[in-house]
Amino acid sequence: DGGITQSPKYLFRKEGQNVTLSCEQNLNHDAMYWYRQDPGQGLRLIYYSQIVNDFQKGDIAEGYSVSREKKESFPLTVTSAQKNPTAFYLCASTLTGAKNTEAFFGQGTRLTVV
Amino acid sequence: RKEVEQDPGPFNVPEGATVAFNCTYSNSASQSFFWYRQDCRKEPKLLMSVYSSGNEDGRFTAQLNRASQYISLLIRDSKLSDSATYLCVVNMFSGGYNKLIFGAGTRLAVHP
Repeated sequence: DGGITQSPKYLFRKEGQNVTLSCEQNLNHDAMYWYRQDPGQGLRLIYYSQIVNDFQKGDIAEGYSVSREKKESFPLTVTSAQKNPTAFYLCASTLTGAKNTEAFFGQGTRLTVV
Repeated sequence: RKEVEQDPGPFNVPEGATVAFNCTYSNSASQSFFWYRQDCRKEPKLLMSVYSSGNEDGRFTAQLNRASQYISLLIRDSKLSDSATYLCVVNMFSGGYNKLIFGAGTRLAVHP
């Protein structure tokens, strides 16, 4: 079955460490997105990408980095520059174009800084 | 002003009630619209797309008013299982990029 997979489901990080969250999809979608969700809040866009080797900053990109070397993969690195990294991180993918942009989500990664 | 705004709620309603959620968006270039449902500590899941002519799926009706930049979701005959957060989502397609923007969500609690 096609889908989008995030790993790990839970992640603990010490302050000052970088950590990379994995996102893989086999839906043949061109567009991929990373969102952050804090308790009781909505989803805020971190980075998004429409094609391989191209990505754009979202609303809260500071302290994060991404790469898009393959269509199927869009890993997110939370760097030590991110001051409040504890959150629920969601990866999504869509087809591109003005229509048919239903987003499919992974199950999310809960990152906790200890 | 936020790009997508929703009333955060919570809406506390009895079973069987009709409840309506509203959403406004600021960018007139927005081209696709959706309602997602999110259960506690889970990923969002598509509830329904929103079409210009309005659309219905069982107990759920979605409407779009492009002139007013306004989207709505109506839930009739509420069930306990409808308790969740409902997210309004807008796709802005510009310069070859899709940018999906989420509202902060409206929380619904249906009680017996």
